Amino acid sequence: GQNIDQPTEMTATEGAIVQINCTYQTSGFNGLFWYQQHAGEAPTFLSYNVLDGLEEKGRFSSFLSRSKGYSYLLLKELQMKDSASYLCAVSYDSGGSYIPTFGRGTSLIVHP
Amino acid sequence: GAVVSQHPSWVICKSGTSVKIECRSLDFQATTMFWYRQFPKQSLMLMATSNEGSKATYEQGVEKDKFLINHASLTLSTLTVTSAHPEDSSFYICSARDWTGGAGGGNTIYFGEGSWLTVV
Repeated sequence: GQNIDQPTEMTATEGAIVQINCTYQTSGFNGLFWYQQHAGEAPTFLSYNVLDGLEEKGRFSSFLSRSKGYSYLLLKELQMKDSASYLCAVSYDSGGSYIPTFGRGTSLIVHP
Repeated sequence: GAVVSQHPSWVICKSGTSVKIECRSLDFQATTMFWYRQFPKQSLMLMATSNEGSKATYEQGVEKDKFLINHASLTLSTLTVTSAHPEDSSFYICSARDWTGGAGGGNTIYFGEGSWLTVV
């Protein structure tokens, strides 16, 4: 089975940096997604990591260590609009189909 | 960027009736689409994987006769909730895989806007 773990809730201050961790245990690992989801809306794509290392995209960066089953999403220069749920999703090979499985999400609250 | 359109956004139906939700990939061909269900403050629960031209693969515990999925073309998958009951009320979200590149460099999954279903 797939097991994905991320913190339930985090709080941070506007302008600060926050790191949201995600650990996973899965067979047939293919890659790891990060999505942002505002309340009542569908998730929006942030990043997809396949290889080890850090990928930077503007204020958001995502890191992956396949050997450790670990990823993090780094948000810099936090803005109030960054308050949302951040979903870590693992893509695994299921008989040729790459199935994405989501963690429970981390609710990030940014305050002034 | 790639766009996935889901319709309707909101639907209210009477108990016992059926409701169809459509998911379209607007600017790419999606051989694989996924259907999720999400309860408030819960994560996305994968219901089924929809493959173009073949039967959907349902996750354990999901009734395939109740949640009918049809993926008749490379750009359209539909989810029909048959004989809906109040406990089926939920947020249903589809997603489509773009293998052709996208922001994910070869494997990106884009989500539709979601459909709020209320069964009364």
